[in-house]
Amino acid sequence: SQTIHQWPATLVQPVGSPLSLECTVEGTSNPNLYWYRQAAGRGLQLLFYSVGIGQISSEVPQNLSASRPQDRQFILSSKKLLLSDSGFYLCAWRETGMNTEAFFGQGTRLTVV
Amino acid sequence: GENVEQHPSTLSVQEGDSAVIKCTYSDSASNYFPWYKQELGKRPQLIIDIRSNVGEKKDQRIAVTLNKTAKHFSLHITETQPEDSAVYFCAASLTGAGSYQLTFGKGTKLSVIP
Repeated sequence: SQTIHQWPATLVQPVGSPLSLECTVEGTSNPNLYWYRQAAGRGLQLLFYSVGIGQISSEVPQNLSASRPQDRQFILSSKKLLLSDSGFYLCAWRETGMNTEAFFGQGTRLTVV
Repeated sequence: GENVEQHPSTLSVQEGDSAVIKCTYSDSASNYFPWYKQELGKRPQLIIDIRSNVGEKKDQRIAVTLNKTAKHFSLHITETQPEDSAVYFCAASLTGAGSYQLTFGKGTKLSVIP
């Protein structure tokens, strides 16, 4: 069966520090991968999605970036965090080429101080 | 790209009453419409979905309806229970070669009052 791992679960980082959040999927090949951000009490904002290795689509201009170095690995990064980057970050995956359910990771609660 | 509007943002109902959440979408090419439930501090999980070739789908106390012409879909929860309290998100999926974005509405916080 397929599983998705996302870490860390919580993170407190100072303003201006770098960020790296990692997400991996097991049990499937060539999944579509997504990074969402959820601000406190707000909806799910799509940040990036990827349909294959090295293929990244950005939905919102920001100081974040994403990379997909391997088929089932998706990384969210920042060189310098802003206070406004605080939020709940969720990685998700879907089967390739199909309109099916998206499965979410456990999420990372990022607080920038 | 796709834009999904969701209403209301908050909803309080008495236990046993029904709850209805409505969403509209902008892109007529969208053909997959899932609903997710997110409990506090947890990940969103699928509760029901519908495809554009179907007008209505039901699963026990939960039902979803889709009006393709009007580009809106709704979630209906009957006989609500306290454990139904959560944030509910609707979403729409845009199809196309290599394009499988999943765009969410802003969410509805449902409170079921015992």
